[in-house]
Amino acid sequence: AQSVTQPDIHITVSEGASLELRCNYSYGATPYLFWYVQSPGQGLQLLLKYFSGDTLVQGIKGFEAEFKRSQSSFNLRKPSVHWSDAAEYFCAVGARSGGYQKVTFGIGTKLQVIP
Amino acid sequence: DTAVSQTPKYLVTQMGNDKSIKCEQNLGHDTMYWYKQDSKKFLKIMFSYNNKELIINETVPNRFSPKSPDKAHLNLHINSLELGDSAVYFCASSPGTGLTSPLHFGNGTRLTVT
Repeated sequence: AQSVTQPDIHITVSEGASLELRCNYSYGATPYLFWYVQSPGQGLQLLLKYFSGDTLVQGIKGFEAEFKRSQSSFNLRKPSVHWSDAAEYFCAVGARSGGYQKVTFGIGTKLQVIP
Repeated sequence: DTAVSQTPKYLVTQMGNDKSIKCEQNLGHDTMYWYKQDSKKFLKIMFSYNNKELIINETVPNRFSPKSPDKAHLNLHINSLELGDSAVYFCASSPGTGLTSPLHFGNGTRLTVT
């Protein structure tokens, strides 16, 4: 069965600083990887996804993520954080379950941005 | 226009009651889901329907019964509510069942059982 580990429960960065959120996955086959963001009181919104090809993927809101098979990682990055980026970030891995999609989420990383 | 809408947004009820949460999507997607997010923000799939057919049923107590009258709607009925059912329940949809289909989430229903 697939699993996702997000080692950092809570991260605080200053506005304008760079950001990296860590994600490690466990899955026997080629993973389908996602990052979602959840603002307070809202549902999750897809930031970016990786299925194949270029291991550096670009997403919305200036985020990018790099897939590293050797490290089983899919870390999310942003060069300069804005106050509006404060939210909960979820890494997820997709796998087949009886021929259908099943997405397993990590426990999330809460990002706090200080002025 | 809200793509995936859930009602109600908040639901407070007592133990033993029966309640329902409704979900509708106007994206034309074939697949819909219910996820449960607990107090520690852990998000876990409960059910998935594809064109009104149940395709994923995780280990969920049979007090939870999903119903999909058509592919745009997926409702969740919960019988005999327990304290442990308190959580945020998210409805989601996707264009298909393939792994390349991203999930579109509603804003959640916060259920509090007292």
